[in-house]
Amino acid sequence: DVKVTQSSRYLVKRTGEKVFLECVQDMDHENMFWYRQDPGLGLRLIYFSYDVKMKEKGDIPEGYSVSREKKERFSLILESASTNQTSMYLCASSFGRVPTEQYFGPGTRLTVT
Amino acid sequence: QKEVEQNSGPLSVPEGAIASLNCTYSDRVSQSFFWYRQYSGKSPELIMSIYSNGDKEDGRFTAQLNKASQYVSLLIRDSQPSDSATYLCAVGGIKAAGNKLTFGGGTRVLVKP
Repeated sequence: DVKVTQSSRYLVKRTGEKVFLECVQDMDHENMFWYRQDPGLGLRLIYFSYDVKMKEKGDIPEGYSVSREKKERFSLILESASTNQTSMYLCASSFGRVPTEQYFGPGTRLTVT
Repeated sequence: QKEVEQNSGPLSVPEGAIASLNCTYSDRVSQSFFWYRQYSGKSPELIMSIYSNGDKEDGRFTAQLNKASQYVSLLIRDSQPSDSATYLCAVGGIKAAGNKLTFGGGTRVLVKP
């Protein structure tokens, strides 16, 4: 079974703080993804990575950065958290160089106050 | 026009009936198609994948793909209250998306006892 884990289920941070969200997968997947999900807006892709140290911007990268130093780990960084970044953050991973099924972690509900 | 479209619902279904969910996509060269189930407050869970025209059955779920008409559907037979969730359609290979998936906005299903 594919397992994708995320560092926290719930997180509360203050405006201006630097926030790290970590995602780890145990299936040797090449691809890893960060999404945010908000009511009425669906899943929106923030960044993805198809290999170690490689990253590509998704649809809404502003205010975020990512890091992938090891194949199994993909971190999302909010450089200076703002209230409009309050959201559910979902990490996913997938195998291969063609669009295959993605497996999601449990999500992190981030609240920025 | 959105790249992947779903009726947002809610689709109200009596217990024991068949729930029929539809998804249309814009890019004729799309290659892979997935259905996810998402319970409120949880992350999406893969329930079906389909790659070629026709039907694919897995338990009470049947996915149907028609590439000529650019739609994919999901049938849930013998619907149970536990099937009440939001169902996301995801499509791979849209335009230059590489190995990303494009998600629809989801259809909310309510199964009434």
